[in-house]
Amino acid sequence: ETGVTQTPRHLVMGMTNKKSLKCEQHLGHNAMYWYKQSAKKPLELMFVYSLEERVENNSVPSRFSPECPNSSHLFLHLHTLQPEDSALYLCASSLLGHFSGYTFGSGTRLTVV
Amino acid sequence: ELKVEQNPLFLSMQEGKNYTIYCNYSTTSDRLYWYRQDPGKSLESLFVLLSNGAVKQEGRLMASLDTKARLSTLHITAAVHDLSATYFCAVDMFEGAQKLVFGQGTRLTINP
Repeated sequence: ETGVTQTPRHLVMGMTNKKSLKCEQHLGHNAMYWYKQSAKKPLELMFVYSLEERVENNSVPSRFSPECPNSSHLFLHLHTLQPEDSALYLCASSLLGHFSGYTFGSGTRLTVV
Repeated sequence: ELKVEQNPLFLSMQEGKNYTIYCNYSTTSDRLYWYRQDPGKSLESLFVLLSNGAVKQEGRLMASLDTKARLSTLHITAAVHDLSATYFCAVDMFEGAQKLVFGQGTRLTINP
């Protein structure tokens, strides 16, 4: 256990479904991130939240919607996904100004059918 | 746009041998990170390199950073099977938050 918890670990959803991924950390970190990892591409940064404000949105399709209600929790809301969205979604957190890198969660393996 | 390139992408080696993984990046940064990922698992932090000339060692792994050459190396000494994994380097762009841009990863297989 790294201190960053992601749920669910596995998710299968249809293209018309709506689901949410959850990430939680109690490390006292104040920045949180969503990355997508697929077989064809390296780790792709999707969203960055710094002090609960979104500071990065890397041209991610609107069918992915992040939410950061507080510094300990991060969500990724999913709707009308495509099969190519199937991937491992990783959440990470860090402490601003400390440059110690990220702590990653275990990821959610998403399959869109 | 910051680009991070690792070389090689695939590496198969025998136990007991030495080898080096290279990580090149395209813009100025003096913060570089190495991570390990086992199949189906998350990323585990290995090394944090925060200045030019930084060298860190842990067991059979040693990482170094040359910010002038924009190059980091991960050296494996006398490889053992347990080191089989995918290794990623990541460079910090720091734009409002710590923003890591990852290389493609090097899949390392160590054969007995």
